[in-house]
Amino acid sequence: SQQGEEDPQALSIQEGENATMNCSYKTSINNLQWYRQNSGRGLVHLILIRSNEREKHSGRLRVTLDTSKKSSSLLITASRAADTASYFCATRGAQKLVFGQGTRLTINP
Amino acid sequence: NAGVMQNPRHLVRRRGQEARLRCSPMKGHSHVYWYRQLPEEGLKFMVYLQKENIIDESGMPKERFSAEFPKEGPSILRIQQVVRGDSAAYFCASSREEQPALGYTFGSGTRLTVV
Repeated sequence: SQQGEEDPQALSIQEGENATMNCSYKTSINNLQWYRQNSGRGLVHLILIRSNEREKHSGRLRVTLDTSKKSSSLLITASRAADTASYFCATRGAQKLVFGQGTRLTINP
Repeated sequence: NAGVMQNPRHLVRRRGQEARLRCSPMKGHSHVYWYRQLPEEGLKFMVYLQKENIIDESGMPKERFSAEFPKEGPSILRIQQVVRGDSAAYFCASSREEQPALGYTFGSGTRLTVV
């Protein structure tokens, strides 16, 4: 299975701290994407990193990709209460995105 | 542009009934994907369709489930003779290209409850 696996499954930090989530996958990929899901809502695309890229930034988000280790990390800096959500990595295979189980992030005020 | 529209948002069906879930992709998007999400779990791929064609249905159960994306109108995910195990959130996503540079756009989902 190409499914990504996030680590940790749950993360609780104080507002203002940085949050780091990791994702591992098993097979070759074209790209890796991170999505956020607020409780009871659909997924929102955050960032896409291609297999030939190593790092990408978007606002307070920083994503790294290590294809030799088949892993990626998502860093959210200066966390806010509104960042509370589940975060999923998704790997792009031949024709579809395959999602991991997600990390549930809670930002405490 | 209203984004990906799914309806209904909530659907309650008795065991044995049929469930029809609709997805209208974003304007200009011809690629549609259906995913299922159980509580506290990630999304599981079900089916990938382009207009009038099923491209990949490897994630869809062989029985009771079917999907279509006609030339006109929304994509439909149909579940016949629903069972309690079908209770889940079903999400639709769309894209303009097969490998979109900016990821997929997801709808808000249909939450199916089988009683």
